[in-house]
Amino acid sequence: GDSVTQMEGPVTLSEEAFLTINCTYTATGYPSLFWYVQYPGEGLQLLLKATKADDKGSNKGFEATYRKETTSFHLEKGSVQVSDSAVYFCALSNTGFQKLVFGTGTRLLVSP
Amino acid sequence: NAGVTQTPKFRVLKTGQSMTLLCAQDMNHEYMYWYRQDPGMGLRLIHYSVGEGTTAKGEVPDGYNVSRLKKQNFLLGLESAAPSQTSVYFCASSDPTETQYFGPGTRLLVL
Repeated sequence: GDSVTQMEGPVTLSEEAFLTINCTYTATGYPSLFWYVQYPGEGLQLLLKATKADDKGSNKGFEATYRKETTSFHLEKGSVQVSDSAVYFCALSNTGFQKLVFGTGTRLLVSP
Repeated sequence: NAGVTQTPKFRVLKTGQSMTLLCAQDMNHEYMYWYRQDPGMGLRLIHYSVGEGTTAKGEVPDGYNVSRLKKQNFLLGLESAAPSQTSVYFCASSDPTETQYFGPGTRLLVL
């Protein structure tokens, strides 16, 4: 079945450092890919998405490019802030009814 | 516009007790979902609904039942709670662009 693999955390960075969180997927066909973010004590919220190969999703300085040849959707940000500290989930939607398959999440900790 | 709301926020149950978690959305979305979140396992889909009066099983449906009597509400029931059901439960609804909107979660502890 479909699956998503994320790098294990926590990822610990200093403010203004460059961020990469790796995400790879296994799926048949052409899934849509998503990054969701969960701030402490809250539900998940959509950060960005891409629906076809070579699409780049972007939001709040975060970017991810849908790479079908490497089945990857890595999340990047050029300069992280303390407020970016959260858990980041990579997910895909491939079957009908918009069901999401999530990775296990990667916790990001940014220190001043 | 409240989005997706969940009640209660926190609950403690004893093994064998029953309870219902309520999810409500005010965005007129057709699709709604129940997930559980456990450490190191991400979110796993319990049940989902593609419209009023319909429900379907997700990845981990055993021990749970659901009902969608009204479009805006999606109820998750535990008939006989077990310690393995200790988790954080999230409800979500989705719009036609595949974006899912999540509630704040219900933390359930089964003793």
